[in-house]
Amino acid sequence: SAVISQKPSRDICQRGTSLTIQCQVDSQVTMMFWYRQQPGQSLTLIATANQGSEATYESGFVIDKFPISRPNLTFSTLTVSNMSPEDSSIYLCSVEGGFTEAFFGQGTRLTVV
Amino acid sequence: AQSVTQLDSQVPVFEEAPVELRCNYSSSVSVYLFWYVQYPNQGLQLLLKYLSGSTLVKGINGFEAEFNKSQTSFHLRKPSVHISDTAEYFCAVRLPGYSSASKIIFGSGTRLSIRP
Repeated sequence: SAVISQKPSRDICQRGTSLTIQCQVDSQVTMMFWYRQQPGQSLTLIATANQGSEATYESGFVIDKFPISRPNLTFSTLTVSNMSPEDSSIYLCSVEGGFTEAFFGQGTRLTVV
Repeated sequence: AQSVTQLDSQVPVFEEAPVELRCNYSSSVSVYLFWYVQYPNQGLQLLLKYLSGSTLVKGINGFEAEFNKSQTSFHLRKPSVHISDTAEYFCAVRLPGYSSASKIIFGSGTRLSIRP
């Protein structure tokens, strides 16, 4: 299994600002995933981040709004840009174990006011 | 494309009673199936997984699930629940292999609430 640390665990931000969420894994992984969980909802994949290449975004998510960095095999960041109250969600970082199950960080609980 | 449906958004049960959380999936090919649990203010934790082989899968915390290919179901069961089982439970599916097509698809979740 993998141990995933996310920072910050929660934040309250003003609309129009940006927040960068960090994800650190205790082992080297090829792919890292970013999910959004809106209040009372299931998980929606935002993008897949591979080291050394641009992230692959899912339908409905764009790089200008959710830029992602993946500088090495154990670290990634997700930025939520020009935030609005609709961006209030839990953002989760995830990695896969042996191409089967996924392991998740504790999540970042974002409230935009 | 694969999809997963959790038939119950909320399931209230009394403590020490049995519980079943229902999950149906749709896929034209073989898939991997998972149940995850999300405790309040936490991330997701894997409860159990079905990859192949025995259709009865045992997981952590006394949970088990049965893969039924003919009914395309993967229901989660526990014979006796505890207050600490109060959480959101997610069924998930993915294709075997390593490609952009094999991302994990999550169901809408079932909120299990345990009454004393």
